[in-house]
Amino acid sequence: GQNIDQPTEMTATEGAIVQINCTYQTSGFNGLFWYQQHAGEAPTFLSYNVLDGLEEKGRFSSFLSRSKGYSYLLLKELQMKDSASYLCAVMDSNYQLIWGAGTKLIIKP
Amino acid sequence: DGGITQSPKYLFRKEGQNVTLSCEQNLNHDAMYWYRQDPGQGLRLIYYSQIVNDFQKGDIAEGYSVSREKKESFPLTVTSAQKNPTAFYLCASSDALGSTGELFFGEGSRLTVL
Repeated sequence: GQNIDQPTEMTATEGAIVQINCTYQTSGFNGLFWYQQHAGEAPTFLSYNVLDGLEEKGRFSSFLSRSKGYSYLLLKELQMKDSASYLCAVMDSNYQLIWGAGTKLIIKP
Repeated sequence: DGGITQSPKYLFRKEGQNVTLSCEQNLNHDAMYWYRQDPGQGLRLIYYSQIVNDFQKGDIAEGYSVSREKKESFPLTVTSAQKNPTAFYLCASSDALGSTGELFFGEGSRLTVL
C-alpha cells in the first residue's frame, strides 16, 4: 500500500530552527509537496520538490532524497505565527496526491 | 481577487438528511477536488473533476455525490447513506488534473451531524 509518515507533533522555541521529516512509500513518484495549515483553516502551499536536493524559499527550505523516500521541511528563525500543522503529500504515478496526517508544530516563547 | 469560496463554513445536519456544500472558483482552473479531513488522518479524496460534465470517484466516494455543470462550480452532496459524515470538508482546484502546480483550497466547511 501507499504510505506517508510524519511525526504527529513537535515543539520548538521562538527564534530556533526545526526540521519536520516525511518518509514515503508510494506507487511511483511525481513530486512531493509541503503545505501549511493553521487550525480550522485551509492548507496553503509551501514547496514542491521533484529532484533531489534542497530548495530554499526565505525562512523555509525543503529537501528531497528520492532514493531514500525521504523529505524534510526546515523552518528557520521560528515565529509564533509558524504554529500550524505541516502536511506532506506525494504525487504518485497516477498523478494522485497521497497525504500524510500532518505534523502539528507548537512554538513556545 | 481570484480564489475558491466554500459555503457554508459551519453546517449542522440531522441524521437522515442530505446536505449540499457549495464550492465556487474564479481561477479558471479545469480540475476541482473534494477532500475530507478527520483528526489524525491525511486528507482523503472524495471526488474529483478534470472537466465540465465529467467527474471521478476518489478513495471514499460512498455516500457522496457531485456535479460539474459549470467550470466554476463543483458542489458536494453528503447523502444520508454516508454513515459518518461529521468532518471538515475541503474543496480545491488546480490548473489541470495531475498538475505539479499547487492546489488552491477553499476555507473549508465543517459538517456536524446531530
